[in-house]
Amino acid sequence: AQRVTQPEKLLSVFKGAPVELKCNYSYSGSPELFWYVQYSRQRLQLLLRHISRESIKGFTADLNKGETSFHLKKPFAQEEDSAMYYCALSPSGFSSNDYKLSFGAGTTVTVRA
Amino acid sequence: DTAVSQTPKYLVTQMGNDKSIKCEQNLGHDTMYWYKQDSKKFLKIMFSYNNKELIINETVPNRFSPKSPDKAHLNLHINSLELGDSAVYFCASSQVSGAAVVLTFGAGSRLTVL
Repeated sequence: AQRVTQPEKLLSVFKGAPVELKCNYSYSGSPELFWYVQYSRQRLQLLLRHISRESIKGFTADLNKGETSFHLKKPFAQEEDSAMYYCALSPSGFSSNDYKLSFGAGTTVTVRA
Repeated sequence: DTAVSQTPKYLVTQMGNDKSIKCEQNLGHDTMYWYKQDSKKFLKIMFSYNNKELIINETVPNRFSPKSPDKAHLNLHINSLELGDSAVYFCASSQVSGAAVVLTFGAGSRLTVL
């Protein structure tokens, strides 16, 4: 079974400070990992995925298979980063379960001026 | 030009009633989903359809019945509503991208059961 854990429910940082959202997963195969973001009054949307290895809005996330982690980081948080962030896991393969994207409990980030 | 649209956006109803939420996507995706976000913001998959065929059916009371008339539509009907059904229901669609599934979400339908 696949499981995603986000240990922090709430995270508050000052503007300009670094921010790191923790995500750990358990899955027996080779997973695909994602971060989704939900800004206030907006729909949930994809922020980044590990296979893209890209930086979106200054955020990066590295998949660490040894530690089964996919932490999201940004060196200098901005007020517009305040949102709900979900870590998600998708199996990679070609069975029906591959469509089962599992989400962590979410972390609410507040960036204060 | 909304990619995934849900109606209604808000729904307030009494316990015991039956209600439906509709979802449509214009992305040409093959797979559609219903997710439930509870009061603690926990997001959990309920159902998934691929080309009108049910492929994921999580442990959901059988009062919940999804229907997919075509691959662009996935509706959710709920019978005998209970207080615990109050939540935000998100529709989503996806196309397999490489080896992974990337979801596009609707804006959500907030259901309040009184």
